[in-house]
Amino acid sequence: DARVTQTPRHKVTEMGQEVTMRCQPILGHNTVFWYRQTMMQGLELLAYFRNRAPLDDSGMPKDRFSAEMPDATLATLKIQPSEPRDSAVYFCASGLQGQGKNYGYTFGSGTRLTVV
Amino acid sequence: AQRVTQPEKLLSVFKGAPVELKCNYSYSGSPELFWYVQYSRQRLQLLLRHISRESIKGFTADLNKGETSFHLKKPFAQEEDSAMYYCALREGGTSYGKLTFGQGTILTVHP
Repeated sequence: DARVTQTPRHKVTEMGQEVTMRCQPILGHNTVFWYRQTMMQGLELLAYFRNRAPLDDSGMPKDRFSAEMPDATLATLKIQPSEPRDSAVYFCASGLQGQGKNYGYTFGSGTRLTVV
Repeated sequence: AQRVTQPEKLLSVFKGAPVELKCNYSYSGSPELFWYVQYSRQRLQLLLRHISRESIKGFTADLNKGETSFHLKKPFAQEEDSAMYYCALREGGTSYGKLTFGQGTILTVHP
């Protein structure tokens, strides 16, 4: 059963520190998403990529957040500097779109970030 | 702009009772709707896609374009159905593939 792998599972950091979250999408998937989950806001889309190119990052605070796909097997989400309000669970999801293929997306287990 | 609304943040029912989780959407194109489920502190899992017209774990959902709704229903709720449920809309056109979620509904099924 193919899975989306996210690391680390948990991260506690001090305010002002840099945080990097990683995601390994399912092999062959061409679309990758980053979501942030909080009790107040639910699931917010931060950014998404198709064939490693960013398609939409309008949900991401640009001054401190950045998302990249250095290669097809790795997506990263960085926060620098981190703030307590960034505390949330960050989910990565991947899927296969286009060429007549249109499936649901598979989610990773998430990274639970706490900024103190 | 696309929007997905789940009006109930919390929903409680007793075991064996029918349950309906509401979802309304706003989208100018032809929508593709999904239901995802998240059990306690686990990853989101795909429950249903409207184009599949399937029943999973006893749940069904019908897309009503006239009412712009995609409500999730189950005739007899079970305790193991307790979870967070998210309705989601996938866009077409220039934002092809973009998936937007509602706020989620926490379902609690009491024994």
